[in-house]
Amino acid sequence: NAGVTQTPKFRILKIGQSMTLQCTQDMNHNYMYWYRQDPGMGLKLIYYSVGAGITDKGEVPNGYNVSRSTTEDFPLRLELAAPSQTSVYFCASSYPGVSQPQHFGDGTRLSIL
Amino acid sequence: KNEVEQSPQNLTAQEGEFITINCSYSVGISALHWLQQHPGGGIVSLFMLSSGKKKHGRLIATINIQEKHSSLHITASHPRDSAVYICAVRSGGNNDMRFGAGTRLTVKP
Repeated sequence: NAGVTQTPKFRILKIGQSMTLQCTQDMNHNYMYWYRQDPGMGLKLIYYSVGAGITDKGEVPNGYNVSRSTTEDFPLRLELAAPSQTSVYFCASSYPGVSQPQHFGDGTRLSIL
Repeated sequence: KNEVEQSPQNLTAQEGEFITINCSYSVGISALHWLQQHPGGGIVSLFMLSSGKKKHGRLIATINIQEKHSSLHITASHPRDSAVYICAVRSGGNNDMRFGAGTRLTVKP
C-alpha cells in the first residue's frame, strides 16, 4: 500500500495563477482532509470530505475549492494564487470515528511569488 | 488564545535524557492524538488517548481529562527521536482536529 500520495512535492506559482494539488489514497478511507501548515502555527483544516460527492468547509477555506468524485481522490484547487497561500499543504485520510488516526501524505510545499 | 497549547516550543536534550512534552487544551474533547513530524516533513500518528496512559516502546503518553492536559514522555532519548511532536484534539461530533503548534525536539549525541 502506498498510503496517501500527494503531488507535486514542490511548486512555485506566480500571483494570480491557478493550480491543483493532487491527493490519492489506497486505504479505502471514507474521510479525507486538506490542511495547511504555516511556520509556528498548528495545522489548519481547509476542507474535508466524508465520502464521494460530499465536501465541507473547514477553518480556512477561502481561496480554495475541492471535489470528491471518487473515494480515492481529493484534489485541492487554488484558483487565483495569492502570497498568503504560501504554505505547506498536507492531505490526510481516515476511517470514520473520533478515535481513528489520520494518515498523512508527505506534503506539498507551495510558494506564491 | 489557541485551543491547543504545547510547551515547550523547542527542546534540546542530550542522548539518554528523559523528555517531557506538554499539551493543554481548552475545549471538551473525545480524543487526543500525538503525532510526530519528521525532519523531511512526513507526519505519523503515535498515540490516540481518551483516558489514562498508553505506552509504545520508549514513548509514554498520559492524559488528565479533568485538568485538560496531556504529556508525552520519551525515555532514554536518542538522536533519531529528533522531530516535531504535535498534539491534536478531536471534539465529539466534529470531523476535524485542532492542532497545537508543535514542539521541536533535538536530541544531541
